[in-house]
Amino acid sequence: TQLLEQSPQFLSIQEGENLTVYCNSSSVFSSLQWYRQEPGEGPVLLVTVVTGGEVKKLKRLTFQFGDARKDSSLHITAAQTGDTGLYLCAGENAGNMLTFGGGTRLMVKP
Amino acid sequence: ETGVTQTPRHLVMGMTNKKSLKCEQHLGHNAMYWYKQSAKKPLELMFVYNFKEQTENNSVPSRFSPECPNSSHLFLHLHTLQPEDSALYLCASSHGVKREKLFFGSGTQLSVL
Repeated sequence: TQLLEQSPQFLSIQEGENLTVYCNSSSVFSSLQWYRQEPGEGPVLLVTVVTGGEVKKLKRLTFQFGDARKDSSLHITAAQTGDTGLYLCAGENAGNMLTFGGGTRLMVKP
Repeated sequence: ETGVTQTPRHLVMGMTNKKSLKCEQHLGHNAMYWYKQSAKKPLELMFVYNFKEQTENNSVPSRFSPECPNSSHLFLHLHTLQPEDSALYLCASSHGVKREKLFFGSGTQLSVL
């Protein structure tokens, strides 16, 4: 069974602060996805990383896939209240199985 | 307009009730999924349908019965549920079975009393 561990589980910060959340596994994934889920809604895909060492930027969000394709990080610069939500990572293996992490619940306070 | 619509948004049912969850996607996708999201647990895949055919059933109890009449519609029939089945049930779709991008509905928040 492939497991994805996300840390921290909960994070509460002030608007304007920077933060990094992590997604770690002992398994290798062919790709890794990051989703954001707002209260009362389903997850929405933010980005997919495919190549080891890949870095993708989405405005103030920077996603990195580890060289060994076992881990990933999401860095948010100058967080805004609109960034509040549950951040989920999901790893896809060669057999098209998608495993979700437990999520990081982020609260950005004004 | 999210492309994947789930009804109802909220459902409260007793353990002896029978109810159904509905999911409809307007994206022209071929694959549809049911996921269960409980507090303190990662998203759990329940069922996968590809071109109306069930391709995965992840050891889901028989009190959950899926139905996929066509590629755009997916149902989850519920019968004799337990309180521990209370959760957010999410429907998703994708273009193909390679799950590069899942589109989720808003979910049905189910409470079993």
